[in-house]
Amino acid sequence: DAGVIQSPRHEVTEMGQEVTLRCKPISGHDYLFWYRQTMMRGLELLIYFNNNVPIDDSGMPEDRFSAKMPNASFSTLKIQPSEPRDSAVYFCASSWDTSTDTQYFGPGTRLTVL
Amino acid sequence: QQQVKQSPQSLIVQKGGISIINCAYENTAFDYFPWYQQFPGKGPALLIAIRPDVSEKKEGRFTISFNKSAKQFSLHIMDSQPGDSATYFCAASPPGGGNKLTFGTGTQLKVEL
Repeated sequence: DAGVIQSPRHEVTEMGQEVTLRCKPISGHDYLFWYRQTMMRGLELLIYFNNNVPIDDSGMPEDRFSAKMPNASFSTLKIQPSEPRDSAVYFCASSWDTSTDTQYFGPGTRLTVL
Repeated sequence: QQQVKQSPQSLIVQKGGISIINCAYENTAFDYFPWYQQFPGKGPALLIAIRPDVSEKKEGRFTISFNKSAKQFSLHIMDSQPGDSATYFCAASPPGGGNKLTFGTGTQLKVEL
């Protein structure tokens, strides 16, 4: 398996623009997680899905952020409008359905909002 | 509320030395404690994990020590090598499906020659 795939790897945009980050989880995994990593706040869980259904979105910073998982092999994280403080590395991870299963992380998308 | 506190923030160790990273948790419901390793430009990857029914788990040069009464756990890297230079995150999750991990703030380890 190719692992978790994220695109784009780098995104540079201007404040106010819409940004869409994409993730393809490992085939067969039931859970998908979106994280944000910054120097100041570390690794934060934004939202996670189970069988394509959002389970906990309490980490989503505000209404400008939204996430969808239309099917088992694809998820998006959208920021609209983007702001400079959204600049971070965004990771997608997936796992099987037990509390001790490994989360497999993608390579991340480095977002820069100017 | 930070439920998993990690220290130190950064650590420099000489090659061959022992690296020790500590974590403390607050939620007594946590029952799974993994450590993730992250190299620059990469996503975190599972290094080693422990359940609270044992006090220690060893995999090669990496050992987790777990103290349930103190709600603390630590990662020990024996014979540290330059290739171990990375950021290490402790994490914890409660029982039940979902594997919702709460991560510590990370420790940047540098192993010098």
